[in-house]
Amino acid sequence: DAGVIQSPRHEVTEMGQEVTLRCKPISGHDYLFWYRQTMMRGLELLIYFNNNVPIDDSGMPEDRFSAKMPNASFSTLKIQPSEPRDSAVYFCASSEGAAWNQPQHFGDGTRLSIL
Amino acid sequence: SQKIEQNSEALNIQEGKTATLTCNYTNYSPAYLQWYRQDPGRGPVFLLLIRENEKEKRKERLKVTFDTTLKQSLFHITASQPADSATYLCALDMGHNQGGKLIFGQGTELSVKP
Repeated sequence: DAGVIQSPRHEVTEMGQEVTLRCKPISGHDYLFWYRQTMMRGLELLIYFNNNVPIDDSGMPEDRFSAKMPNASFSTLKIQPSEPRDSAVYFCASSEGAAWNQPQHFGDGTRLSIL
Repeated sequence: SQKIEQNSEALNIQEGKTATLTCNYTNYSPAYLQWYRQDPGRGPVFLLLIRENEKEKRKERLKVTFDTTLKQSLFHITASQPADSATYLCALDMGHNQGGKLIFGQGTELSVKP
């Protein structure tokens, strides 16, 4: 079974550029989550979707961040314009059914470096 | 606000011993608690889920306890092996009124020496 697939695995770009991270969840999973992981703050939830609809985006740091899920098999997280403090590892995860009592399946992340 | 604390220091143990990792939380009463393993450069991998009405759960060499009075979960790896070396994260659900979001601890890095 294919797990959660994220691309790119690594992204290095200059401050001010637009960054787009991509995620393909596990087929049949109806919840999709975007997380950010840093040494200082650990793993933080940014936004999550249920059946392609954004449910809670309270973790999105600011208006520079946006996420979409146009269909059940694809989601994007966009940062525009990017800043050095956005450097982190971004994970996408999906789960089947109610999020709190189901395991979340994570991709291997996108390591983002903003110079 | 909700707070989760895991062993702040890395845990170093000898192969064959039992590793015990701690997850303490405050200001909340989760109905579920999950444990994940994370290897360098990889995403977290789900290990175990325990419900508030379960005191203990086992899976092969892994055991998790959940004490809602102490607001603590313990994660045990028995007969530890060098391959168990990784960072272990606990995660709590934030309840139905929070849409079932999980909040993760900072993780404990475990190193098992041969």
